[in-house]
Amino acid sequence: RKEVEQDPGPFNVPEGATVAFNCTYSNSASQSFFWYRQDCRKEPKLLMSVYSSGNEDGRFTAQLNRASQYISLLIRDSKLSDSATYLCVVNKNNDYKLSFGAGTTVTVRA
Amino acid sequence: DGGITQSPKYLFRKEGQNVTLSCEQNLNHDAMYWYRQDPGQGLRLIYYSQIVNDFQKGDIAEGYSVSREKKESFPLTVTSAQKNPTAFYLCASSSQGGSTEAFFGQGTRLTVV
Repeated sequence: RKEVEQDPGPFNVPEGATVAFNCTYSNSASQSFFWYRQDCRKEPKLLMSVYSSGNEDGRFTAQLNRASQYISLLIRDSKLSDSATYLCVVNKNNDYKLSFGAGTTVTVRA
Repeated sequence: DGGITQSPKYLFRKEGQNVTLSCEQNLNHDAMYWYRQDPGQGLRLIYYSQIVNDFQKGDIAEGYSVSREKKESFPLTVTSAQKNPTAFYLCASSSQGGSTEAFFGQGTRLTVV
């Protein structure tokens, strides 16, 4: 089983819709969780960290479910500019081996 | 401006040649990473380094080599032993490994001709 698994999508949604997807992880000792965004042919950039209590940044909400070992990302009121690939990172705090999920592709259509 | 710089942006290599990709950071980060990305695929870890003069193999290290002689620099050599080197290569750095944000360079597109 892979350490981190993501639904590759693509998720094709109309503008204004809500889209949500998960990232499951296998190591129950994981402590650090992040979502990155990657635009086509560009480098990934941090979208948001994921805290135990869940966190929100504008239209984006990230949550952690330790019991089921997954993190989620929800995008409300989707914009055309949200079209991208979303990558998750799950890690132990003292582990320098930084591995990314394969990514979930979201396409927002007009 | 603090950041991470990769060069060149595009690189063409003849079969059988070694090539070296440059990665420099002025963020004072201890950890540096090299990833490979193929079209439509995720990032696969090639090598990483926690500190100067130390580095570890990632998931796909065969056919690649690295050095970490300075904190700021982590060059990647794609050797002739790498049978399918055409890909997008990304370098990253972070202050404390997996517990902190990773910053990426803009990548190098390597094509074998």
